This record gives sequence, C-alpha cells and structure tokens, in this order.
Amino acid sequence: DQQVKQNSPSLSVQEGRISILNCDYTNSMFDYFLWYKKYPAEGPTFLISISSIKDKNEDGRFTVFLNKSAKHLSLHIVPSQPGDSAVYFCAASDFTQGGSEKLVFGKGTKLTVNP
Amino acid sequence: ETGVTQTPRHLVMGMTNKKSLKCEQHLGHNAMYWYKQSAKKPLELMFVYNFKEQTENNSVPSRFSPECPNSSHLFLHLHTLQPEDSALYLCASSRGVGSEEQYFGPGTRLTVT
Repeated sequence: DQQVKQNSPSLSVQEGRISILNCDYTNSMFDYFLWYKKYPAEGPTFLISISSIKDKNEDGRFTVFLNKSAKHLSLHIVPSQPGDSAVYFCAASDFTQGGSEKLVFGKGTKLTVNP
Repeated sequence: ETGVTQTPRHLVMGMTNKKSLKCEQHLGHNAMYWYKQSAKKPLELMFVYNFKEQTENNSVPSRFSPECPNSSHLFLHLHTLQPEDSALYLCASSRGVGSEEQYFGPGTRLTVT
C-alpha cells in the first residue's frame, strides 16, 4: 500500500502562472518531507524540504506547504518557467526495520510549463 | 551534475548473463543507496550502506548482490535476472543515513531479455 501518493500523474500550466503540485501521505509518523525534481535521463535532484514542525518553507520561487491534520503537502512554483518542466517527486522520511533512515517516494507528477 | 556517477547508463542483458552496475560519489558522503524505479511505480529502496557496511536489505532477491568496497564506490552485481527486473536503477548518497537529503546519480536503464 502506497504511503505517499501523488494522485495527479501530470500537470500543464502556462509560463508565468502558478504551478501547484499535491502530495498526500498516510503515515502520521512521517516527520520530514522533501520534493525532488527529475529531468529525463538524469537522476532526481533535491528541490526543497519541510519539517513537520513547520507549515511552510519558502526558497525563491518554490514554496512547500504542509497540512499535518490533512496529511497533505503541496509545492507551489511561482512564477512557473519552461525550465521547470520535469517530473516532481514527493518523498517522506521514514525508518527501516534495521533502523536506517529511508525516503518513501510518490510516483511523481510530470509538470509541463508552456511558453 | 550531482557528484554521483553511474555506469553503464544503459544495459541490455539476457537472463543467463552476469553483469555489474557501478556507482561512484565524489561528495565525501558516508552513506550510499540503491533504488529501483519500475514503470509507473514509486522509487523503491533496495539497499543501504553506511561506512561500507550494509545496514538495510529491503527484501531484495538474491539475484541482486550489492558490494561496497569503500565509502565512494557501490556496485550492484546482477545474475540470472528476470524480465520483470527491467527498470531504472538509481544510486544515491548522503552524508549519513540520518541525513535526509540524498544526491542521486543519473541511473542505469536495465533491460532484461
């Protein structure tokens, strides 16, 4: 059963507008969340993160919002640029049975920003 | 360029072949990971190494055999794979297993025929 869900496989927005990517999780023990961006033929790259003690974290054009009661987080990109076109993965930090910290990923949302 | 390299980038192998995937990180990190990404599935953690010691095997079949000779290098030895093992295999590293931010390599696209 998926613990991190990105229910929209794709999203298309116009350049200059806001992109909102959503992510839901089921495990209330998750306490740290990350967004990764992936271009074709490259590995995922870290974008922004948020701790569960916060409800918002901002870095330039990227803002992540966390709603713990709803087990929901979102990534806002304002203004969107064509270079933002990529697959965005939501991830949550969890622990393995062996005690190692691990990331649990969603399936990703493909964002296309049209010029 | 994330500082994590993987070779080969693409690999086609038969079910009776033996091959190895290589990962190298130039970041001075102590933890390294293997992930598998199958079509339309989330990234799945396979193995975790911390200071060259394997700390996690996420119920991975024995036809996948990892090796970590030092903190900078990680291998994934493959033998008698199945077609369903075809996937993108990603290597990642982090400062330590408690460090949430992981740096990924570009991946190896594996096709098993």
